[in-house]
Formats: sequence, C-alpha cells, structure tokens
Amino acid sequence: QVTLKESGPVLVKPTETLTLTCTVSGFSLSNARMGVSWIRQPPGKALEWLAHIFSNDEKSYSTSLKSRLTISKDTSKSQVVLTMTNMDPVDTATYYCARSYGDYYYGMDVWGQGTTVTVSS
Amino acid sequence: QSALTQPRSVSGSPGQSVTISCTGTSSDVGGYNYVSWYQQHPGKAPKLMIYDVSKRPSGVPDRFSGSKSGNTASLTISGLQAEDEADYYCCSYAGSLYVFGTGTKVTVL
Repeated sequence: QVTLKESGPVLVKPTETLTLTCTVSGFSLSNARMGVSWIRQPPGKALEWLAHIFSNDEKSYSTSLKSRLTISKDTSKSQVVLTMTNMDPVDTATYYCARSYGDYYYGMDVWGQGTTVTVSS
Repeated sequence: QSALTQPRSVSGSPGQSVTISCTGTSSDVGGYNYVSWYQQHPGKAPKLMIYDVSKRPSGVPDRFSGSKSGNTASLTISGLQAEDEADYYCCSYAGSLYVFGTGTKVTVL
C-alpha cells in the first residue's frame, strides 16, 4: 500500500524556519518516473503548489516562493524534506505532500493526509 | 506563474451534467497536455480524478471526463450524484513547475 505522511511542528513563530518531512511507504524515492511535490492550502483557500523533487534529484520551486524554499530527499529514509524560511502568519496552512509516478507522472496520484501549521507569536 | 482561473461555484440537480472550466495561458494549460483535476471533500486531502487532460485513474467513475481547447481545460461531471458535492481544482504542468486553479465548489441541489 502506497502512503505518504507529513510531519512537522504545529506552531511556528514569525521569522522562524519551518521544516516539514514527508515519509513515504510502498514505493521507493529512487524509482524512475517518480517525483514528490509539496502543496499547501490556507484555511478556506485554494491549493498552492510549492516545490517538486524528481527521482534524479532535480528540483523545481514556485516562482513566488523560490527564495524561501528548499526541497531535498533522503532515499534511504524514504523521506522528502521541505524547509521554508522566514515564516509569516500568511503561511498558516495545511501542508500536503503528494506523489507523481509512472502513468501519473504529470499528476499527483497519492496524497498525504496533510499537516496543519500555524504561524503565530 | 499565476493561478489558473476557475468559476467560484457551479451547481446542478442530481442526474444533470455540470462543466467546470480552467483557464490558463500558453505557458501552462495551452502548452502541455498535462492538466489534472482533483476532488476535495471538506477536511480531506485532494483526490486525483483526471490526469493528462482526459485520462481517468482506475476507480474513478466514468461520469467524470476531461477535455482541453487552447488555453482552457474543462471537467464535466455527467449524471451528478450527491457524493460529487465537493471542491474541484485543476492543475497544469508548466515546464518543471505546476500551477493550481482557483478552485470550484460544486453543489448538488
């Protein structure tokens, strides 16, 4: 069974750095035609794509957030990590990781349950 | 990388058809045949309904269909059912980037 699970702090203070971990199971991060994205959703608002990492370690970032984001993966731990610097209350959101794989390489076929992050002092 | 434009809401009676549009540019929707659609029920993670413009993952009912013309993609739900009431988001590949739509709330009357 393919699963993704997000983890990280529930509460961060403004200006702090957020580190989120996506732990996957049921597949390998080294598989060909495989990628993992991070997506967020502020309360009551739309989905926003943040970053993507491919199996060959190529990375891509949202144009508007690129300066604040870093995505990486540890294949041996089956984890994809997203860091976001200089957090602000507007970054309060549910953060999801999602897989792109095989026939669904340009879509996101399996999503984690999401983790809610609140930015407040 | 601006969000794709979707209508805020659409509604229909059970058994009717509704269509959701998703308008982008030649850099995203118009430039690639990689539009996907997601269904999201309240408090739940999104679920892939359509990928590569018009393909359905296994398990997705065939009343869901997708298409594209120029810079606009569309999701049609035929034979609307109560469980189809949800938010729907389009997403387009844009050359190593992805961009989501603004989201559409589908209401079953």
